[in-house]
Amino acid sequence: EPEVTQTPSHQVTQMGQEVILRCVPISNHLYFYWYRQILGQKVEFLVSFYNNEISEKSEIFDDQFSVERPDGSNFTLKIRSTKLEDSAMYFCASSAGTGTDYGYTFGSGTRLTVV
Amino acid sequence: SQKIEQNSEALNIQEGKTATLTCNYTNYSPAYLQWYRQDPGRGPVFLLLIRENEKEKRKERLKVTFDTTLKQSLFHITASQPADSATYLCALDPGGFKTIFGAGTRLFVKA
Repeated sequence: EPEVTQTPSHQVTQMGQEVILRCVPISNHLYFYWYRQILGQKVEFLVSFYNNEISEKSEIFDDQFSVERPDGSNFTLKIRSTKLEDSAMYFCASSAGTGTDYGYTFGSGTRLTVV
Repeated sequence: SQKIEQNSEALNIQEGKTATLTCNYTNYSPAYLQWYRQDPGRGPVFLLLIRENEKEKRKERLKVTFDTTLKQSLFHITASQPADSATYLCALDPGGFKTIFGAGTRLFVKA
């Protein structure tokens, strides 16, 4: 079964550093998303991406964050100048469309720890 | 304000019984609603999607209902098994290119 692959599985970074989280969505999917989940809290929407541009972003997704699809397979989330409160699990997801009977396919996540 | 509410208390049931989880929402008019399963430390896994013009949808031991008047969805697992123990997330589309998740309900199925 097709999977969404995320790397690394765990990233520890110093406060103030930049991190890049990487994702390989399912190959024939057209919509890509980043979500985050702070420990013990709900899954929060960050950004959606379609046709090589951001479709929608939440108020969490400020100038500290950026996304890119540098080639035909990778989808990255960059977090600049990390803060302690950025520590969370970051999930990438992809979908073939919106409102389909297949929903979103999520990756296993990258656990980001900012120290 | 907009809210998606799921029972924050864990649901404990005996193996073989039917588990029923509730999702209520306010100030949304979703075209569809989704249910996902999440295991500890893992990403959500899609289970079912139900559209606003569908009252009920089934998939194997799972059944979802969607009442747009009550602004409520019910998620049922029949003949529950210990392997069904997980957190179940309700998710809806508030319009646009995103899905918003509820906080989830933890289900424990005892053998």
